[in-house]
Amino acid sequence: DAGITQSPRHKVTETGTPVTLRCHQTENHRYMYWYRQDPGHGLRLIHYSYGVKDTDKGEVSDGYSVSRSKTEDFLLTLESATSSQTSVYFCAISEHTGRETQYFGPGTRLLVL
Amino acid sequence: GENVEQHPSTLSVQEGDSAVIKCTYSDSASNYFPWYKQELGKRPQLIIDIRSNVGEKKDQRIAVTLNKTAKHFSLHITETQPEDSAVYFCAASIEYGNKLVFGAGTILRVKS
Repeated sequence: DAGITQSPRHKVTETGTPVTLRCHQTENHRYMYWYRQDPGHGLRLIHYSYGVKDTDKGEVSDGYSVSRSKTEDFLLTLESATSSQTSVYFCAISEHTGRETQYFGPGTRLLVL
Repeated sequence: GENVEQHPSTLSVQEGDSAVIKCTYSDSASNYFPWYKQELGKRPQLIIDIRSNVGEKKDQRIAVTLNKTAKHFSLHITETQPEDSAVYFCAASIEYGNKLVFGAGTILRVKS
């Protein structure tokens, strides 16, 4: 597996609390992505980054923000978690462009009560 | 924007039979089409991909075909084995923005 880690791997939180998920890579890849995976929906892009401090929205970005201050770290923040954000969150990286092989992290299972 | 539809949503085959999963895409400018396999509780992993300048690509028991005119591509698995049981996702690149759009996935069950 590519050098991608996610933390935490599991989290239970309450509605209304802020949550930050971290993706860390050791591959020095330029592009990083956050997806959520829900039954029947496949992988849906939340936000992505094409360089340090360069980010853009995906198809399901409402309620989420991201930051990338270093090449190796991409943070996903749920400002005020809701039950609809209960999901499995995957980080992915790709080397040169977003339109090529993406390697996925192990995932974070988030439960919002 | 790009839309990727994947069929069937579930597929059951007998061990040794072939399995075919089909995807259609809407953006004629898409030029990269990967397939990912995800085992239960694991991360998606790339199994094969194809670019728009190629019509077919094979890797042992796995092959992918692309029909640009019809805007569809398919995954073919021959001589299926129980370890092929997983969820398979197709994806397509989009012209504007460095992104892939994924299909909803196919649950493949190989019965022994």
